[in-house]
This record gives sequence, structure tokens and C-alpha cells, in this order.
Amino acid sequence: GAGVSQSPSNKVTEKGKDVELRCDPISGHTALYWYRQSLGQGLEFLIYFQGNSAPDKSGLPSDRFSAERTGGSVSTLTIQRTQQEDSAVYLCASSLVKGQNYEQYFGPGTRLTVT
Amino acid sequence: DAKTTQPNSMESNEEEPVHLPCNHSTISGTDYIHWYRQLPSQGPEYVIHGLTSNVNNRMASLAIAEDRKSSTLILHRATLRDAAVYYCILRGLSSNTGKLIFGQGTTLQVKP
Repeated sequence: GAGVSQSPSNKVTEKGKDVELRCDPISGHTALYWYRQSLGQGLEFLIYFQGNSAPDKSGLPSDRFSAERTGGSVSTLTIQRTQQEDSAVYLCASSLVKGQNYEQYFGPGTRLTVT
Repeated sequence: DAKTTQPNSMESNEEEPVHLPCNHSTISGTDYIHWYRQLPSQGPEYVIHGLTSNVNNRMASLAIAEDRKSSTLILHRATLRDAAVYYCILRGLSSNTGKLIFGQGTTLQVKP
């Protein structure tokens, strides 16, 4: 079946512009996660959605970052007024449920470059 | 979630077994041990997970020490495609979102 898809695969933007990154999770997966991986850095958690519950935004680095998940499926991560330090690969993952006994399936990521 | 410790890098020869160690001395009784790997230019990929007993799947085996303070991911016959960063992650009840907390992982090089 189809895996997690993300678009665009690459995005180059100028400092100060807003960007939107899209994630299509695996159908039927109720949990959705955003992570980012900066050059030479590890993966860091950004935000989590589960059904109609309030999202866990504890990993968002600043108020310029926001995300939404419409209809319990597609999610959009928005970065306003982009800065050069926002350059990274943004990864989306989905899981059947949120539990610790369930694996997460990752998309290929969106490589964001802020010039 | 408890912390894990892995070697920064390891080397293996193609078609030989690889044993990737992970220490997690502060693991709690409800923490699951998960392994993910990240191939170059790809998102992470689930490999295997376990709680107490050793586990086998089509990709690898997971050997868990009796006291659960360490575990070993075993690739039975390494291929060039297995060259990746391998992450050992503990997932416990304290994280009610199930988010993954990645460390630096072990970079595995496979030589032909």
C-alpha cells in the first residue's frame, strides 16, 4: 500500500517568506508526527496529532512554526518569516495509534533551504 | 524517556553478521526498546522492537539482556544496503504521545 508522502520534496525560499509543507499519512493511521533534521544534527520532534485530541506542540522551536491536521488526515506545517536556521529536512511520520508498542512510518521528507 | 548510549560508528564486511549494541541502564519496566535506521537521504525506517524477550523479524533480530539494561540489534548477513545510521530508542508510558526521541545513533559502514 501507499506509504507516507510529503510535498514538496525540495523547497528553496528567501529569508522572511512563509512556507507550507504537506504530509499525507498512511490511510487509517490516527497518529501523525512532524520531526526535523538539521544538517549534521539528529532528528528532533516538533508536533504530534492524534484524532480530535489537542496536539502536542511541545517541540515547536518558536511561534513562527504552526501545524494543522484537517479531517484527521492531511497535515500542513507552516513556517512564517523563515530564517536561515530553519533550513533542514522536515519529516512526517504516521502510526496506527500513538502507543509505545506501535511503529512509526516516515515519509521521505521535505528539504527546506532558506537563502 | 530513559537515555540510550550507542557507539558512534561501526564497520562490517558484506555478508558477515553485525551486532549493534545499545546501553540503557536506566530503563524502566514499561519501556519498549525500539530500533530504527536511516539510510542516506531517506526518512527513518522501523526495524524492530521488543520489551523483554528476544525478537526476530525479516530484517533483524533483537537480543535483550536479562536485566534489560542493554540490547543488541543483530543483522545476520550485512549487505551494502544496510549501511545506515541505526537508532536505539526507548519508548515508555511517560511519553503519552509516543513521540520518538532520537540520539546520535550508530553509523554502520559495510565494506564489500
